[in-house]
Amino acid sequence: QSVLTQPPSASGTPGQRVTISCSGSSSNIGSNSVNWYHQVPGTAPKLLIYSNNQRPSGVPDRFSGSKSGTSASLAISGLQSEDEGDYYCAAWDGSLVGWVFGGGTKLTVV
Amino acid sequence: QVHLVQSGAEVRKPGASVKVSCKASGYTFSAYFIHWVRQAPGQGLEWMGWINPDSAGTKYAENFQGRVTMTRDTSISTAYMEMRGLRSDDTAVYYCASGAGNFGYWGQGTLVTVSS
Repeated sequence: QSVLTQPPSASGTPGQRVTISCSGSSSNIGSNSVNWYHQVPGTAPKLLIYSNNQRPSGVPDRFSGSKSGTSASLAISGLQSEDEGDYYCAAWDGSLVGWVFGGGTKLTVV
Repeated sequence: QVHLVQSGAEVRKPGASVKVSCKASGYTFSAYFIHWVRQAPGQGLEWMGWINPDSAGTKYAENFQGRVTMTRDTSISTAYMEMRGLRSDDTAVYYCASGAGNFGYWGQGTLVTVSS
């Protein structure tokens, strides 16, 4: 049981816009910033969004993040086949005094 | 360019210990904490703890307290994660990760298999 809650799966067609949610509590998302990671099976995760809505250099602007209260969202517009994989949200939890991850969302581009 | 290169796959019997290394390059080793994150087969990511390469201070997740030790050797820019009392459910890929508080850089992962 992950501290942050994500839907187990999401899907979309090429060119479509999809969103992935991440729900937490006041001790994590409610008081700290959220990062998002993309993982292709068999490879290490890659940082996609940090500090709620910032993109590292090289991440396309098709990816955007937002946060409101104790929830965060990742939006992917202009969906492409290479966007398939698992997406994880993460935040620092002040009560647990550690980083917590969501359970991951498997994105399929159909 | 930042690189984190981890040691190779390991196989251990239940009750044994394992030590995984993570060699950093491309940045000042003391600049960022080194975190360890594991991923069991088909499962999500689980944060294990961190080490401050500058002070050697550590913080472990509650699930790993007493069983994990994180160390570093600044002379070779390498961090280590040692786990004792291995169980079958410790079978996982172990990642080191670093960056300015956001796990911006990841090692390639080290598969640790615990089997009798």
